[in-house]
Amino acid sequence: QVQLVQSGAEVKKPGSSVKVSCKASGGTFSSYAISWVRQAPGQGLEWMGGIIPIFGTANYAQKFQGRVTITADESTSTAYMELSSLRSEDTAVYYCARDRMIVVEKEGYYFDYWGQGTLVTVSS
Amino acid sequence: SSELTQDPAVSVALGQTVRITCQGDSLRSYYASWYQQKPGQAPVLVIYGKNNRPSGIPDRFSGSSSGNTASLTITGAQAEDEADYYCNSRDSSGNHLRVFGGGTKLTVL
Repeated sequence: QVQLVQSGAEVKKPGSSVKVSCKASGGTFSSYAISWVRQAPGQGLEWMGGIIPIFGTANYAQKFQGRVTITADESTSTAYMELSSLRSEDTAVYYCARDRMIVVEKEGYYFDYWGQGTLVTVSS
Repeated sequence: SSELTQDPAVSVALGQTVRITCQGDSLRSYYASWYQQKPGQAPVLVIYGKNNRPSGIPDRFSGSSSGNTASLTITGAQAEDEADYYCNSRDSSGNHLRVFGGGTKLTVL
């Protein structure tokens, strides 16, 4: 059974950075993509970016380009999401999720396992 | 377009059938996946691909797609189906990006 376990809650000052970890177990970490999704209080889900550990390159949503860095350490089966220049609007629960693809007539992408979420609070 | 549009709220009587829709240009090229989220919990995958349910998801959940619209249908809605539902797909811009719909709040009356 695949499990994604995230690091604990963080409280950060505006302008600082936060790094959230996501440790995978029960699957072949390197072969699957990991995406990061956030949810501000009372708001919807927002995809931030993702990485395929075996390739090491990440893709980012345009909104977060230049502020987010997603990395992966195959030796520890852990993915990381670092968000810089934090502002109050970045207060949210941050999730990691395993990102997979299926092809039947056309491609379909889906997140089959999710971490428990990490609350990041940005406050002065 | 990289947007997916969902109705903000939908209601259904207990035991009846409800369809939740998701519209966007990317859905012409890619299937949507659907997620159920209850308060304070992480999202749960309920439908992916053409019409696939993960293990443990009741068969009252089904998915379909036509043109730029994907649909999640719950046949015989139960009280425990009351939740927020989100669609997701790959962005059609050519990069491996993902996009979520704004979510639909389902109320079971």
